[in-house]
Amino acid sequence: DTAVSQTPKYLVTQMGNDKSIKCEQNLGHDTMYWYKQDSKKFLKIMFSYNNKELIINETVPNRFSPKSPDKAHLNLHINSLELGDSAVYFCASSQGLSSMNTEAFFGQGTRLTVV
Amino acid sequence: AQKITQTQPGMFVQEKEAVTLDCTYDTSDPSYGLFWYKQPSSGEMIFLIYQGSYDQQNATEGRYSLNFQKARKSANLVISASQLGDSAMYFCAMREGGGFKTIFGAGTRLFVKA
Repeated sequence: DTAVSQTPKYLVTQMGNDKSIKCEQNLGHDTMYWYKQDSKKFLKIMFSYNNKELIINETVPNRFSPKSPDKAHLNLHINSLELGDSAVYFCASSQGLSSMNTEAFFGQGTRLTVV
Repeated sequence: AQKITQTQPGMFVQEKEAVTLDCTYDTSDPSYGLFWYKQPSSGEMIFLIYQGSYDQQNATEGRYSLNFQKARKSANLVISASQLGDSAMYFCAMREGGGFKTIFGAGTRLFVKA
């Protein structure tokens, strides 16, 4: 019974296409995130949502549009894909507002390759 | 602004020996949490250990312990009795109190030799 699940696990697509990655958590957490891990393994936060509301947008291009239909889901839609978007995208969740002492739980990652 | 620094890109350790992975951080918030995660070659992110800024004692979880030196703003991970399965990337991370983001260091790749 996966805590944070994201689909698909692998995504290969051509430049210019539009694609979506879905994420669901069954932990009852209030806060969800999207992270991007580049080829050097550096993890950078992209978005943070709390109870379906966007809290943080870390100067991500407008081509990236997160959507949270409810607090258990946070999907990521990417328009007009570029080569530089190739990376592993992680969805994560954590409990509660200001709960600095709770770890973030991560999905298994989506490896996006733009060709 | 919060910042996490891991200065060791790669580390080698002999099986059964202890190893320390360095992490320093910077924040102006007196309330914060520090985390360590392991990322094996399979790619998943595995939570290892947590230390709160107000915790008086260093955190321990099995073979993992966190050497927390608040004045130096360091939160080093100590792995005792290394095992081959410990070979992985290790990330130090921080979340400020009231913050909605956990930021990560650049990571340290640990190689355990038989």
